[in-house]
Amino acid sequence: KQEVTQIPAALSVPEGENLVLNCSFTDSAIYNLQWFRQDPGKGLTSLLLIQSSQREQTSGRLNASLDKSSGRSTLYIAASQPGDSATYLCAVGLYNQGGKLIFGQGTELSVKP
Amino acid sequence: SQTIHQWPATLVQPVGSPLSLECTVEGTSNPNLYWYRQAAGRGLQLLFYSVGIGQISSEVPQNLSASRPQDRQFILSSKKLLLSDSGFYLCAWSVGGGLNIQYFGAGTRLSVL
Repeated sequence: KQEVTQIPAALSVPEGENLVLNCSFTDSAIYNLQWFRQDPGKGLTSLLLIQSSQREQTSGRLNASLDKSSGRSTLYIAASQPGDSATYLCAVGLYNQGGKLIFGQGTELSVKP
Repeated sequence: SQTIHQWPATLVQPVGSPLSLECTVEGTSNPNLYWYRQAAGRGLQLLFYSVGIGQISSEVPQNLSASRPQDRQFILSSKKLLLSDSGFYLCAWSVGGGLNIQYFGAGTRLSVL
């Protein structure tokens, strides 16, 4: 059974810092991995999707890496801003199950001005 | 462009009352559709997914059911709500026929009292 874990559960940093959020999964047979952002009381916004054949994806100040063999992904946020404050969720996509995603519990990020 | 609509945004219901949450997608055909629940302090849990009209897969045995009466309409229902049904319900869609990015609705906050 696939399990996804995110560490840390919460993180508080001063504005301008570079930071790394971690995601680990127990079964390396994944189709893809997605990182999402969730603002309080809101739905999820997709940030980056990495296919299983890829090693990383970049969008602006965000960079996500994937190491299937070790069951790990990281989300790197450069030059953090207060507007980056949100909960970040990673989710692994499974083969042949209708696009099903298994989510981690999320990391709650607070960027202090 | 594609859009996803969920309603209502907030709902307060007494224990034992019925439930009907609706989700519709515009701008795409034959999407995969998903219902998730996010309980307080817990991760996002997949409840149901559908790859076509009338095709529903249930992930977790529970007090809820789902139906897909039309291609782009997904309904979450209950005949009698329990206290434990309280939570944040999210609908999502992805391109059918492949495992691609999931796009989420704004969510429904359900409080069962």
